[in-house]
Amino acid sequence: EPEVTQTPSHQVTQMGQEVILRCVPISNHLYFYWYRQILGQKVEFLVSFYNNEISEKSEIFDDQFSVERPDGSNFTLKIRSTKLEDSAMYFCASSGYGEKLFFGSGTQLSVL
Amino acid sequence: GENVEQHPSTLSVQEGDSAVIKCTYSDSASNYFPWYKQELGKRPQLIIDIRSNVGEKKDQRIAVTLNKTAKHFSLHITETQPEDSAVYFCAATYTGTASKLTFGTGTRLQVTL
Repeated sequence: EPEVTQTPSHQVTQMGQEVILRCVPISNHLYFYWYRQILGQKVEFLVSFYNNEISEKSEIFDDQFSVERPDGSNFTLKIRSTKLEDSAMYFCASSGYGEKLFFGSGTQLSVL
Repeated sequence: GENVEQHPSTLSVQEGDSAVIKCTYSDSASNYFPWYKQELGKRPQLIIDIRSNVGEKKDQRIAVTLNKTAKHFSLHITETQPEDSAVYFCAATYTGTASKLTFGTGTRLQVTL
């Protein structure tokens, strides 16, 4: 069964550093998303991406965040200058025609 | 925007009993309601979903009901097993284009022997 894959599984970084989280969505999917989950809390929407542009973003997704689909398979989330409060599990997800979302296994980001 | 509330936050049942988790949503435009199961340290996995044009959907031991008028939907698990133990999240969205899911706060289900 096709899966969304994410790398790395864990990322430790110093406050103020840039990080790039990588995702390979399911190959025939059209919509791509990033969500995050702070430990013990609910999953929160960050951004959706369709047709090579952002469809929607939440208030969490400020100027420090950006997304990119650099080629036909990868989808990345960049955090330019990480803060302590960015520590969370980041999930990439993809869907076909905007309904069933399938999540990747996540990247645990720890900002020290 | 959409707001989803979920109850209870924790639920403990004996193996073989039924479990019910309830959610309410605020945006009457929402038309798609998935349920995700998340085991510790793992990804959320879609277990069942329902669209607003139906009132109930069943898949083996799992069923979901939707009351559009009251804006609430529920997950029912029958004949619970220890492997059902996990955190369950409800979510809601309007599937106009991309599905920006709004999640509930989760229910930790513990199935005891």
